[in-house]
Amino acid sequence: DAGVIQSPRHEVTEMGQEVTLRCKPISGHNSLFWYRQTMMRGLELLIYFNNNVPIDDSGMPEDRFSAKMPNASFSTLKIQPSEPRDSAVYFCASIFRLNTEAFFGQGTRLTVV
Amino acid sequence: GESVGLHLPTLSVQEGDNSIINCAYSNSASDYFIWYKQESGKGPQFIIDIRSNMDKRQGQRVTVLLNKTVKHLSLQIAATQPGDSAVYFCAENLSGGYNKLIFGAGTRLAVHP
Repeated sequence: DAGVIQSPRHEVTEMGQEVTLRCKPISGHNSLFWYRQTMMRGLELLIYFNNNVPIDDSGMPEDRFSAKMPNASFSTLKIQPSEPRDSAVYFCASIFRLNTEAFFGQGTRLTVV
Repeated sequence: GESVGLHLPTLSVQEGDNSIINCAYSNSASDYFIWYKQESGKGPQFIIDIRSNMDKRQGQRVTVLLNKTVKHLSLQIAATQPGDSAVYFCAENLSGGYNKLIFGAGTRLAVHP
């Protein structure tokens, strides 16, 4: 398996624009996570899905952020409208089953100017 | 994706020495713990895990110790090598029947020849 695949690797956008980050988890994994990494806050859990169902979105910072998982092999994290303070590295991770390690993608570095 | 230049505590060691990285976790109900390594430009990578019914687990050159009484984890790296230079994170699974991995702030390990 190629591991968790995220796209794009880098995204530069203007304030106010919509941004969509994409993730393909490892086949057969039943949990998916979106994390944000910043200098100030470290690795923050934004939302996680179990069997494609959002279980906990309490980490999503604002209504401008939304995430979907339409099927077991694809998830998106959308920011609309984007703001400069959203600039960060966004990671997706997936887990095979409860209490096993999460596998991370390479991340998307988002810069909002 | 990159570790974003976090202002982290740094542990500096000489090549060949043993390293000990410490972590305090937050929830006494957490039942699963993982150590991750993050190198520049990459997502976090799994190193070793431990379940709450254990207090020690050994891997190749690494050992994790769990003290549930004081909610403390440590990662010991034997014969530290330059390739071990990275940021290290502990993560706890808050359980509740679902995977919910929460990460600590991280420690930067710098290995000097």
